[in-house]
Amino acid sequence: GEDVEQSLFLSVREGDSSVINCTYTDSSSTYLYWYKQEPGAGLQLLTYIFSNMDMKQDQRLTVLLNKKDKHLSLRIADTQTGDSAIYFCAESQQGFQKLVFGTGTRLLVSP
Amino acid sequence: DAGVTQSPTHLIKTRGQQVTLRCSPKSGHDTVSWYQQALGQGPQFIFQYYEEEERQRGNFPDRFSGHQFPNYSSELNVNALLLGDSALYLCASSFGGRVRADTQYFGPGTRLTVL
Repeated sequence: GEDVEQSLFLSVREGDSSVINCTYTDSSSTYLYWYKQEPGAGLQLLTYIFSNMDMKQDQRLTVLLNKKDKHLSLRIADTQTGDSAIYFCAESQQGFQKLVFGTGTRLLVSP
Repeated sequence: DAGVTQSPTHLIKTRGQQVTLRCSPKSGHDTVSWYQQALGQGPQFIFQYYEEEERQRGNFPDRFSGHQFPNYSSELNVNALLLGDSALYLCASSFGGRVRADTQYFGPGTRLTVL
């Protein structure tokens, strides 16, 4: 079955690194994503990784994938107050399949 | 180039009523997916429309129905509203019937409140 789990809350200080974790159960997941949602807004795609990759870096964002443990993480370097939001992990299978989202991790960045 | 647009922004209904939500995909996109996001939860897939047909459906009752028009815009209809239908309804568009991370875009959502 499909299930994506995340921790609910993370609090960091401005300038620190943030690490948000996610676990998924579907071994046939092909794409794994990180979305950001600010209050009252829709979803913004931050980055994604194919299941045959271990790591992807995009400016301040680093995604690590441990396919054996079905564990995905998002590291945000030099976290800023503007990074405060809810972060969703999601997965999909190849083709036209739906996205399956986790429950989201609320990141709070304090000055 | 307009992104995905949804209307209305907010909506208040009472139990038992019916509601229609609308979505216009990003220019060049022909596939529309609908998601329900309850407060404090992640989005849940409702269904996807491609070539004016429902291609895939999530675990939602038949009270939830949809339509896609020749211009690729889409409607989500919910009948016999329940309190539990209160949520943010998100529309996402993509091209060619495929959900690809780099080519799927979400709209801002419609906030539905059922009293």
